[in-house]
Amino acid sequence: GAGVSQTPSNKVTEKGKYVELRCDPISGHTALYWYRQSLGQGPEFLIYFQGTGAADDSGLPNDRFFAVRPEGSVSTLKIQRTERGDSAVYLCASSLTTDNEQFFGPGTRLTVL
Amino acid sequence: KQEVTQIPAALSVPEGENLVLNCSFTDSAIYNLQWFRQDPGKGLTSLLLIQSSQREQTSGRLNASLDKSSGRSTLYIAASQPGDSATYLCALLPVETSGSRLTFGEGTQLTVNP
Repeated sequence: GAGVSQTPSNKVTEKGKYVELRCDPISGHTALYWYRQSLGQGPEFLIYFQGTGAADDSGLPNDRFFAVRPEGSVSTLKIQRTERGDSAVYLCASSLTTDNEQFFGPGTRLTVL
Repeated sequence: KQEVTQIPAALSVPEGENLVLNCSFTDSAIYNLQWFRQDPGKGLTSLLLIQSSQREQTSGRLNASLDKSSGRSTLYIAASQPGDSATYLCALLPVETSGSRLTFGEGTQLTVNP
């Protein structure tokens, strides 16, 4: 079956621009997670959804970052006024419910010039 | 706050060797522990999941153990192959965050030489 998919695979943008990153979870998975991975580091948690609602957004670094999951399936991570420090790989994961095994997508590599 | 440490940061072995990757954590209150594999420029592939009540899990040449009392997990790879070369990450699902977010170590970069 289809796994978690993320688009685009790569995104290059200029400082100050707005970007959207998309995640399609595994069908039927109610929990969806966003992580950010810098070079040579393990992924760091950003936000997770249970259904349509953000159950924990405490990992978002500041108010330039926002994520939605309006229909409880696809999620979009939105970054306003991008900064060079936002450059990283953004990973999405989903699980059947919380506390279950998480399955990861291939990630979106964001580069802010 | 839960901290996860993986040692060594990098490991290079000849093909055919058995090897052990280590993961240590500071808070034993966890729901489960996952081991992942990450190839360069790729996402994470889940290898093994150990529930809090379990001591080990096996899949093919891989065996993962969990000892909550000592705050340690090991990933044992038998008869290593060049295709095993990748970064291996351990991650915990801590009780303190209501079982939602994974806390990752920084990974061990494994190279298996033919």
